[in-house]
Amino acid sequence: QQQVKQSPQSLIVQKGGISIINCAYENTAFDYFPWYQQFPGKGPALLIAIRPDVSEKKEGRFTISFNKSAKQFSLHIMDSQPGDSATYFCAANKSNTGKLIFGQGTTLQVKP
Amino acid sequence: DTEVTQTPKHLVMGMTNKKSLKCEQHMGHRAMYWYKQKAKKPPELMFVYSYEKLSINESVPSRFSPECPNSSLLNLHLHALQPEDSALYLCASSQGGFPEAFFGQGTRLTVV
Repeated sequence: QQQVKQSPQSLIVQKGGISIINCAYENTAFDYFPWYQQFPGKGPALLIAIRPDVSEKKEGRFTISFNKSAKQFSLHIMDSQPGDSATYFCAANKSNTGKLIFGQGTTLQVKP
Repeated sequence: DTEVTQTPKHLVMGMTNKKSLKCEQHMGHRAMYWYKQKAKKPPELMFVYSYEKLSINESVPSRFSPECPNSSLLNLHLHALQPEDSALYLCASSQGGFPEAFFGQGTRLTVV
């Protein structure tokens, strides 16, 4: 019940295309769902986050779609750029625990 | 300033050494975290400090000893580590009661 399942494991997209990464969770007590971007040798950087009372959140080229009934959420990167090439982690949290549960990560490569 | 600073960036230590990792934040956050990340894996939570008190210990071996001297500082004391403890050690912080966690750049630890 504590797991967050992320797919795909790796993704190759052409420059200008849309990158889509999906995550699914089991624990309905989760109430905060962030996405992190991590470049090699660096710490994860908070990209965008959503709470279950919202079905979609957009920040620039990054959009989270959230389906509460299906217990799924996804990250869409519009107009993908080579600089977006990184590993992306979804996560889930119960706000009163301070504990982030991470997905296994998706390595994104955007080809020029 | 949304910066979490970790020192050192790289550390090589022998199995009989004692060393410490340091983390500092000046965002007024009252929760601080230690995570461990192995290559191509997601971060794994080790410890959570909330208002300078240890609130979560994820069954971490006693050769890792955390310390929170004040609300801005977090240390991780290392003693008698094993080669399999080699990893990227990440510090993070968040406001008390809010799950948005900001990560430092990490300390790349190699145990020889």
